[in-house]
Amino acid sequence: DGGITQSPKYLFRKEGQNVTLSCEQNLNHDAMYWYRQDPGQGLRLIYYSQIVNDFQKGDIAEGYSVSREKKESFPLTVTSAQKNPTAFYLCASSTGAEETQYFGPGTRLLVL
Amino acid sequence: AQSVAQPEDQVNVAEGNPLTVKCTYSVSGNPYLFWYVQYPNRGLQFLLKYITGDNLVKGSYGFEAEFNKSQTSFHLKKPSALVSDSALYFCAVRPDRGSTLGRLYFGRGTQLTVWP
Repeated sequence: DGGITQSPKYLFRKEGQNVTLSCEQNLNHDAMYWYRQDPGQGLRLIYYSQIVNDFQKGDIAEGYSVSREKKESFPLTVTSAQKNPTAFYLCASSTGAEETQYFGPGTRLLVL
Repeated sequence: AQSVAQPEDQVNVAEGNPLTVKCTYSVSGNPYLFWYVQYPNRGLQFLLKYITGDNLVKGSYGFEAEFNKSQTSFHLKKPSALVSDSALYFCAVRPDRGSTLGRLYFGRGTQLTVWP
């Protein structure tokens, strides 16, 4: 099956802890994206990467970090500096910056 | 600044009736416009997009959208609603130029409820 996978489905973070959300795609897409979804606020862009070993900050990058060492993988780390991390996190990919973005199933992050 | 507005948080229609979910936008240059649907606790599914050409775009599951440049709108429509269409719908816009090339800007979403 081709597609975008995100894991875990649910993630619990303790105070002061860094956690990493996984996003993998086997669609051979060059571009990958991370969004945060909060109720009533739509989707907000955290980071995006148009090519391996390169990424740019989105609108709400503070408290988050990413890496893009492989074309198929774009992990997102939620650091302890992110004071309000509870949200639904969505990863997306596209063949290029100008093409349709396709989304993974999401990870729900909760704070203990 | 790029922005997308979905003026209705909720839309309620009876099954079999036509539905419209509204979207207006503000973007530099010519817009690329998208509609996505989200079911509870799931990712977004692509429905349709407008790049250029015919102002009426047909997409998945019987949905269509009409691009109106003068009104900067891209309303989603379906002639006959189904209960299974009940979901959260997002409009998104992508600029065709500038430093924000490639980025999608999303509206806040419209919850569509179709009752039997």
